[in-house]
Amino acid sequence: GENVEQHPSTLSVQEGDSAVIKCTYSDSASNYFPWYKQELGKRPQLIIDIRSNVGEKKDQRIAVTLNKTAKHFSLHITETQPEDSAVYFCAASKSGGSYIPTFGRGTSLIVHP
Amino acid sequence: AAGVIQSPRHLIKEKRETATLKCYPIPRHDTVYWYQQGPGQDPQFLISFYEKMQSDKGSIPDRFSAQQFSDYHSELNMGSLELGDSALYFCASSFPSTDVLTFGAGSRLTVL
Repeated sequence: GENVEQHPSTLSVQEGDSAVIKCTYSDSASNYFPWYKQELGKRPQLIIDIRSNVGEKKDQRIAVTLNKTAKHFSLHITETQPEDSAVYFCAASKSGGSYIPTFGRGTSLIVHP
Repeated sequence: AAGVIQSPRHLIKEKRETATLKCYPIPRHDTVYWYQQGPGQDPQFLISFYEKMQSDKGSIPDRFSAQQFSDYHSELNMGSLELGDSALYFCASSFPSTDVLTFGAGSRLTVL
């Protein structure tokens, strides 16, 4: 089955800095890569996603890049704010059958004011 | 907009008791997924249903069972509870033949 590795497990930045979280996946058939933000005790919320026919996607301060050859994808947050502090999960899934996403272990992002 | 509704939000049980969690998907979503998330862990897939039939099975213990009803709501039945079952249980739903999941607020189960 799919295996998703996520790094780092914790990331501490100063407000205004950029943050980058990286994930790798094992199944070359995976073609959908969502990113979820989860605040303590709350539900995972989809913040951005990318499909395998696209190399990069941007939404305001958030961007995701995908390298299909290397089987890795990254989340980039610019101009971080304290409210960006949360656990971020990457995931991978494949269409045309089971859509069950496999999650990475999560990155705890702390943005210091 | 309607979201995924889960109940109860909090549940406290003793060891060896049973528990039932309910999930009401977003209207017109036909697929329901159940996830278990322990403290500091990533969500672990338990089971999913498509059009009222079980479609995929993950790490759901044999003590647990689930089903999806004719109105598309789903219930997770948890038997002979153990301390290690204490976790947040999320339900998610998706539109037909799509891979975009929307999660409910979760049910926090505490087993004493």
